[in-house]
Amino acid sequence: RKEVEQDPGPFNVPEGATVAFNCTYSNSASQSFFWYRQDCRKEPKLLMSVYSSGNEDGRFTAQLNRASQYISLLIRDSKLSDSATYLCVVPPGGSQGNLIFGKGTKLSVKP
Amino acid sequence: EAGVVQSPRYKIIEKKQPVAFWCNPISGHNTLYWYLQNLGQGPELLIRYENEEAVDDSQLPKDRFSAERLKGVDSTLKIQPAELGDSAVYLCASSLDRGELFFGEGSRLTVL
Repeated sequence: RKEVEQDPGPFNVPEGATVAFNCTYSNSASQSFFWYRQDCRKEPKLLMSVYSSGNEDGRFTAQLNRASQYISLLIRDSKLSDSATYLCVVPPGGSQGNLIFGKGTKLSVKP
Repeated sequence: EAGVVQSPRYKIIEKKQPVAFWCNPISGHNTLYWYLQNLGQGPELLIRYENEEAVDDSQLPKDRFSAERLKGVDSTLKIQPAELGDSAVYLCASSLDRGELFFGEGSRLTVL
């Protein structure tokens, strides 16, 4: 299994839809996880952190399944402005390594 | 508060030419990162600084890439000579004590 794997998409959904992305990781010792959002030709920005079983922020819910080694991002009531690439970020198993970015999942929300 | 500032935003050079990128991190951030991002890929770490010390440069192609962070603030990344395959976006990021990463807008390099 690769260190971090994401479905590249694109996910094309209508406004108002609910969409979910998964991200699998290989290092079972990883403790905290992140979702970054990257708009086209822009820099990545932190969307959510996932430290335990999950985290919810408005229309966004991130969940962690340690047994199956994946994290998910659920977006409810999709908006046009949610169109972006969502990067899954996994920390190293130890404290000295570096964050590992997935290739990203592209979401396109259509009117 | 100012974010991470990078320059130049765009650079077009011919192969075998040198190029340098500059980064000014968020004030007070002790950790600075240089990432490379190719189209359709996630950012890949080139080098990480803790203050002025390069603590991880294992992914930096040292035959042509060099970096420095004098005085533990600004940083420069240099490529000499550039190759066609170096065309990419070079992202600088900073964090406080290895917390949330704040990225600059990136420097987009095109090597002809």
